[in-house]
Amino acid sequence: NAGVTQTPKFQVLKTGQSMTLQCAQDMNHNSMYWYRQDPGMGLRLIYYSASEGTTDKGEVPNGYNVSRLNKREFSLRLESAAPSQTSVYFCAARLAGGPEQFFGPGTRLTVL
Amino acid sequence: GNSVTQMEGPVTLSEEAFLTINCTYTATGYPSLFWYVQYPGEGLQLLLKATKADDKGSNKGFEATYRKETTSFHLEKGSVQVSDSAVYFCALDTGGFKTIFGAGTRLFVKA
Repeated sequence: NAGVTQTPKFQVLKTGQSMTLQCAQDMNHNSMYWYRQDPGMGLRLIYYSASEGTTDKGEVPNGYNVSRLNKREFSLRLESAAPSQTSVYFCAARLAGGPEQFFGPGTRLTVL
Repeated sequence: GNSVTQMEGPVTLSEEAFLTINCTYTATGYPSLFWYVQYPGEGLQLLLKATKADDKGSNKGFEATYRKETTSFHLEKGSVQVSDSAVYFCALDTGGFKTIFGAGTRLFVKA
């Protein structure tokens, strides 16, 4: 039982390149989330998926797209990376009706 | 709107010192309150929670009491250890799909 897994752990991109961050959970949770963590700013919600087949914007969605591929997987795509997207990205999952979120280990992304 | 404010860090303590990290919130209704901890290189994990006023959450020697009259949820531990060095996040949930996190407080504990 791995919980929430994320790939890759580290990534360096050049400005304008694209990439997809992968997230998978094996807890059968309904809701999944993507956050970014920047120094002094805590966690900011990028997108979330309340249930399979639905996605909604969070606080900072610009420059990102998401796909809820199935109940297990929720990916985050950067179409044209910018230096302002340098951050640590966390995926999380939550059971319907439960307040606790379970987090993955994070992806550290640097955009040059 | 809903928000969480927690004390700025870093907080530096010697081993066995008493810890308090302040957290206050603004929310409509009756939110659930949480403390999450992030150890170096890891994701956040739930440390403790309280779902109604006057509830006390506790785990691993940490405690926090849900004070509705002061809209606070301060984290305390009587005797910190080096292994408690981490970033601590206060958070609230009002029953929707989103959790609101504070900015985080970094704790350093010296041996």
